[in-house]
Order: sequence, then structure tokens, then C-alpha cells
Amino acid sequence: QKEVEQDPGPLSVPEGAIVSLNCTYSNSAFQYFMWYRQYSRKGPELLMYTYSSGNKEDGRFTAQVDKSSKYISLFIRDSQPSDSATYLCAMRLIQGAQKLVFGQGTRLTINP
Amino acid sequence: NAGVTQTPKFRILKIGQSMTLQCAQDMNHNYMYWYRQDPGMGLKLIYYSVGAGITDKGEVPNGYNVSRSTTEDFPLRLELAAPSQTSVYFCASSSPGTNEKLFFGSGTQLSVL
Repeated sequence: QKEVEQDPGPLSVPEGAIVSLNCTYSNSAFQYFMWYRQYSRKGPELLMYTYSSGNKEDGRFTAQVDKSSKYISLFIRDSQPSDSATYLCAMRLIQGAQKLVFGQGTRLTINP
Repeated sequence: NAGVTQTPKFRILKIGQSMTLQCAQDMNHNYMYWYRQDPGMGLKLIYYSVGAGITDKGEVPNGYNVSRSTTEDFPLRLELAAPSQTSVYFCASSSPGTNEKLFFGSGTQLSVL
């Protein structure tokens, strides 16, 4: 069983739709949860991060963490064609904090 | 502000050849990392370094070597290239205490034929 599971998609939605991206994980010791966005032929860039459980909102983006279910989500409201990218979830422990574990990434396309 | 710079962007190797992927950062970050990204497989950590002279293995270190003689540079050496090393390689850096925010280079696409 992989430590972090993410549906690779691809996911294609119309402009303006609400997008839900999800990851599940098996290690209950993960404490920091991140979402990275990766445009084609570019390196990933940090989009959002949360510590432990709860929600965090930044503009059109909302990150949710449910540690009891070992499940994290990223919601994109009013999706735009510029949101078309691969989204990778990542998580890390507090101990051994150098190591991030990434999900497989979900390729998202927003159609005008 | 260059950030993390990787060279080359593309390379084709023959089986058994060796090469060094270069990585440099100008943000004075202590931590540096090498990842490989295969289609549909996410990012796998190869090696990482917490400072000059200190390196450690990640999840998939076999077939690779690293060195860290300066804060700025973290080259990745491939010895005896194999087709299984065909991948996109990313170098990244971060500051202590903010390891959730990795700064990535633009990647090196390597094919071993």
C-alpha cells in the first residue's frame, strides 16, 4: 500500500466549475499537508499548506484536512483555464522533517 | 533572482554512460533535494542534503551519487546509466523550519537508450 494515494485523473471540467482534488494516506503521523501545482514542463510550486486538521482558505482555493479519515482535499472555486495543471499533494512528519512524501499528482484541465 | 537553476534541460544517454546533473540555488538555503518524476508516479526523493558536506539517501538512491561542497551547489551523478533512469529530474531547496515550501528548478528530462 502506498503511503499517499492520489487519483491521477485526468480530470476535465468546464470553466467556472468547482473542482475537488483528493488524497488519502496511511501514516497517521503525518502532520503537515501541502498542495503543489505543476504547470507543463515546469517544476512544482507550493500552492497551500496546512498543519494538522482543519480548513485553510486562500482566494478561490480551500484546503481541508481530516486526520481522523486520513483524507485531504483541495477545492477550487470559479475554476479558470489558468488553473489547468497537475496538482500534487504532499505531506511530512515533524520528525525527519526533511522528507516530503508526494502523491502521484492529478492532471486537471479547465475548458473555456 | 534566479532561484534554483538546473542544467542541462534535456539529455540523451546511451546505456552505460555517465553524467552529472547540475543544480545551483542563490537563496542561501541550507536544504537541497533531488527528486525524480516518472509519469503517473509522483515525485520520488533520491538524495537530500541539510548543509555543505552533509548528504543522505532518500527513497530511491541506487544508481546515483551526490556531493555538497558548497551551500549553493548540489550536483547529482549518474554512473552506468540504465533505461530505468529515464525520467524527469528535479532539484529543490528550502530553508530550515519551512520545509513545506520547496523551491523547485525547471527540471532535466533524461532519456537512456
